Amino acid sequence: GAGVSQSPSNKVTEKGKDVELRCDPISGHTALYWYRQSLGQGLEFLIYFQGNSAPDKSGLPSDRFSAERTGGSVSTLTIQRTQQEDSAVYLCASSPWGAGSNQPQHFGDGTRLSIL
Amino acid sequence: GENVEQHPSTLSVQEGDSAVIKCTYSDSASNYFPWYKQELGKRPQLIIDIRSNVGEKKDQRIAVTLNKTAKHFSLHITETQPEDSAVYFCAALRFGNEKLTFGTGTRLTIIP
Repeated sequence: GAGVSQSPSNKVTEKGKDVELRCDPISGHTALYWYRQSLGQGLEFLIYFQGNSAPDKSGLPSDRFSAERTGGSVSTLTIQRTQQEDSAVYLCASSPWGAGSNQPQHFGDGTRLSIL
Repeated sequence: GENVEQHPSTLSVQEGDSAVIKCTYSDSASNYFPWYKQELGKRPQLIIDIRSNVGEKKDQRIAVTLNKTAKHFSLHITETQPEDSAVYFCAALRFGNEKLTFGTGTRLTIIP
């Protein structure tokens, strides 16, 4: 596609439910990132995938958060047993290369997650 | 880990004047510094970036300067226009560590 695509654009769910957020990176981009942006705040790194390497999960805030990337393309971020503090915009980004190349990261529109 | 501080948090500038946003970073090994513009409800858009082997980069009305010794970099917008109103984020990244560390953002308002 022309850009990074995320779905859904908005998600409202009850506390305690599980949610899945999807990211479709720019075609050919090997690096994929997830960030979280709370209201009026900066971007908080969550997880990074590069090709077939093991992901860098160092930014995941708790074991309720997990992510996978199938076939080196689409990624899914899963939040289990959601809490109100999980409410935020979840942004995905991709770049053509990964480690050492310092290529620009291109962002999707994000998923606005609201936990009631 | 890396820590990026950004100032000011809010900035109001008369249309046509210049705006300057400053960031400092803690990791001397950081070597890539992008700037993103985020309009309300929109995705962050890369507007300019600089690598540590240069001290300044310009793109029309936008410029970024980097002082490696002092570990700070700045965004300069000249001849500001109403469409420049947005939140601007700086970020830093170190070779071999692909996690961008973002500043907390500057809300820039251009006053017509």
